[in-house]
Amino acid sequence: GAVVSQHPSWVICKSGTSVKIECRSLDFQATTMFWYRQFPKQSLMLMATSNEGSKATYEQGVEKDKFLINHASLTLSTLTVTSAHPEDSSFYICSASHLAGGPRIGELFFGEGSRLTVL
Amino acid sequence: SQQGEEDPQALSIQEGENATMNCSYKTSINNLQWYRQNSGRGLVHLILIRSNEREKHSGRLRVTLDTSKKSSSLLITASRAADTASYFCATDGTGTASKLTFGTGTRLQVTL
Repeated sequence: GAVVSQHPSWVICKSGTSVKIECRSLDFQATTMFWYRQFPKQSLMLMATSNEGSKATYEQGVEKDKFLINHASLTLSTLTVTSAHPEDSSFYICSASHLAGGPRIGELFFGEGSRLTVL
Repeated sequence: SQQGEEDPQALSIQEGENATMNCSYKTSINNLQWYRQNSGRGLVHLILIRSNEREKHSGRLRVTLDTSKKSSSLLITASRAADTASYFCATDGTGTASKLTFGTGTRLQVTL
């Protein structure tokens, strides 16, 4: 159980276009989802916390207008990279928290990631 | 930066040997988790240890936590080639649940 699906798994786009990445919790409800960015051979850096029905909370240094996050339902959060540029090329990973309680509370489940390449 | 440090950054061992990775963090935590990431893939949760626990086992994995030293270790016993991956520790501060801060990671290579 606790599967998180991320789509697309990879995308190539032209500079200046916008790209949307979806993150779905398939078998549980996630009031909170997290978006991370990972550069090659580096760690995950938290970009923002996505809360269902409210505005996302962005980490310092992350441009809100560049990385639009929407969490319209308890099972879906989207990240839109607007007016993408080559420096936005990265591996984007979402995660959702298992909030049902019990021994797995606090555990995060991750999507498979989306590799964005901006030409 | 809140980010934890892991060492070694890279570790190469032969199949059957044990692999030990260490993680240090900076702030008080609720729990510490270890994740595994195969190249270009998402993260897989391995084990969670709470701040009031000192040691935890799961199969070939053994995790220790020393909150006085703000450090944790992950031991993989009898390693296999399939254990080749990057391993990250992640901590959540005593505040917002599930907002994790990841360590720098250890790249483990297990050769036949």
